Amino acid sequence: GQQLNQSPQSMFIQEGEDVSMNCTSSSIFNTWLWYKQEPGEGPVLLIALYKAGELTSNGRLTAQFGITRKDSFLNISASIPSDVGIYFCAGPGSSNTGKLIFGQGTTLQVKP
Amino acid sequence: DAMVIQNPRYQVTQFGKPVTLSCSQTLNHNVMYWYQQKSSQAPKLLFHYYDKDFNNEADTPDNFQSRRPNTSFCFLDIRSPGLGDAAMYLCATSRIRQGLYEQYFGPGTRLTVT
Repeated sequence: GQQLNQSPQSMFIQEGEDVSMNCTSSSIFNTWLWYKQEPGEGPVLLIALYKAGELTSNGRLTAQFGITRKDSFLNISASIPSDVGIYFCAGPGSSNTGKLIFGQGTTLQVKP
Repeated sequence: DAMVIQNPRYQVTQFGKPVTLSCSQTLNHNVMYWYQQKSSQAPKLLFHYYDKDFNNEADTPDNFQSRRPNTSFCFLDIRSPGLGDAAMYLCATSRIRQGLYEQYFGPGTRLTVT
């Protein structure tokens, strides 16, 4: 079945550093979604990408829809302690019912 | 603000004692989902309602049931909770339009089984 592979699994960085994480698939996706989940809360949608090659920003976050449609990248610039959380990529499953396939998540820890 | 609300945020139940979790939304979305999430894993879809149509995932245990009495509300019933059902339960909604798959999540209900 469809799977999304996220890397790295976890990151421990210093405040102020830039962060980059990616999500890859063996099959083509027409949509890429990036979510952030803080401890004890539900995932929050950060960025949605709908077009191959699309580059979209949301504050210090930038995400790109890979040209091959099999990958996506999320970058965080000048990290701050509140960036801590788990970042999930997601894309629609093969059916047309709105079901999402999720990556395993990238856990980000930021040292002040 | 339009949102997805889950109640309660924390629920403690006894082994085998039925429990109901609730979700409401003010987004007027036609699709509602229930996910189970354990210890930093990705959310796992249990089932979803596409309008009034119920769609169960093949590996969702019979112990889990759902009701959607109207567009705004959806309930998750766990008939006989086991220790393995302790998890975060997430409700999400989406309005499926052509090519748009964004899901909006509630804050979750943390279920503890004693």
